[in-house]
Amino acid sequence: ETGVTQSPTHLIKTRGQQVTLRCSSQSGHNTVSWYQQALGQGPQFIFQYYREEENGRGNFPPRFSGLQFPNYSSELNVNALELDDSALYLCASSFKGQVGEQYFGPGTRLTVT
Amino acid sequence: KNEVEQSPQNLTAQEGEFITINCSYSVGISALHWLQQHPGGGIVSLFMLSSGKKKHGRLIATINIQEKHSSLHITASHPRDSAVYICAAQGAQKLVFGQGTRLTINP
Repeated sequence: ETGVTQSPTHLIKTRGQQVTLRCSSQSGHNTVSWYQQALGQGPQFIFQYYREEENGRGNFPPRFSGLQFPNYSSELNVNALELDDSALYLCASSFKGQVGEQYFGPGTRLTVT
Repeated sequence: KNEVEQSPQNLTAQEGEFITINCSYSVGISALHWLQQHPGGGIVSLFMLSSGKKKHGRLIATINIQEKHSSLHITASHPRDSAVYICAAQGAQKLVFGQGTRLTINP
């Protein structure tokens, strides 16, 4: 059984650019949630994907978008990067239909300059 | 007011002390999670509970559903327990996180 992995680990982008972050789910999990954690804050829910469809969204603008693939891996895309997008981006996988633990990846630290 | 509030925000203690971190929430939940985050950023799930009490090693988590309150206790604290501890309320689709408690245990 493999854990949740994320890539890349660190990333530096300039304002206005676009970025894609990737997440591979825990084996057997069909749901992926993405969170943004600004420095010194708790994570904030961005959105969740289940069976390749968005299944709930937090208070984030449309330039934050995502995909889930048939193997349940997922991408987070952010367009027109702003300085405030600098944060740790976490994905967590779980199995929908069960109130179970969410397994977190190690995160991708994005710095926008 | 945040939906999930933790206290204290920062806690420094000596090795061996008994530690308590509190979490209050105002939303309806199906479960309450306690998570540990080390400086590198990775988050580890410590407990998920919906009632009563759970124990794992030196860690104990309790929840009072009526009072919408949970506590995380660490007995015989050790410097390796130094981390940020986060409680998160499990809603229908998402976790709502507290702001975290930064715990430092000095030798």
